[in-house]
Amino acid sequence: DTEVTQTPKHLVMGMTNKKSLKCEQHMGHRAMYWYKQKAKKPPELMFVYSYEKLSINESVPSRFSPECPNSSLLNLHLHALQPEDSALYLCASRTDRGLDEQFFGPGTRLTVL
Amino acid sequence: AQSVTQPDIHITVSEGASLELRCNYSYGATPYLFWYVQSPGQGLQLLLKYFSGDTLVQGIKGFEAEFKRSQSSFNLRKPSVHWSDAAEYFCAVDISNFGNEKLTFGTGTRLTIIP
Repeated sequence: DTEVTQTPKHLVMGMTNKKSLKCEQHMGHRAMYWYKQKAKKPPELMFVYSYEKLSINESVPSRFSPECPNSSLLNLHLHALQPEDSALYLCASRTDRGLDEQFFGPGTRLTVL
Repeated sequence: AQSVTQPDIHITVSEGASLELRCNYSYGATPYLFWYVQSPGQGLQLLLKYFSGDTLVQGIKGFEAEFKRSQSSFNLRKPSVHWSDAAEYFCAVDISNFGNEKLTFGTGTRLTIIP
């Protein structure tokens, strides 16, 4: 299984809602990533987890809260988002055994009203 | 600071014609380089990667790329494009940060294919 899955595919939420994005991989990868991608822009790194510990936070606002409950699962909890947070949220994973690429999921299209 | 430049924002090519997408990087050490492709609203798919060794790298879907250290370039090529190649293409460099590899992406090149 060389796939990263993300749910939901689409999400619409109000600014007062609390929601979560989910990412899962079963490739045994120990590094997992959250990216945010605005239209016509490259992905921007948000968070990196290594061995289930947060290793990189790219100065992301606290209304985004990542969680890595186990080595296969990565969540992104959303609360009090702004309309400018509307974007495609991509998850990726990567092996820790030497050089390799990041495997990306299909993304969650988030719209904040 | 490390950076990746894709000089062409948008390229239009006729179906069956050859393609070259440009990528230049700025990085002090040996770069680890990637080309990813993204169809609208989709995730990124790896086309090919360069870590070391042969500077001409073969990828999926008939793509290849050549690493030229002297020119700090990693251009993507395809001899004959198909309509299904229309997509956004991103060049990326892998920057190791205490073992946590980070990808720095170029701004992307949008490829349009005309019949």
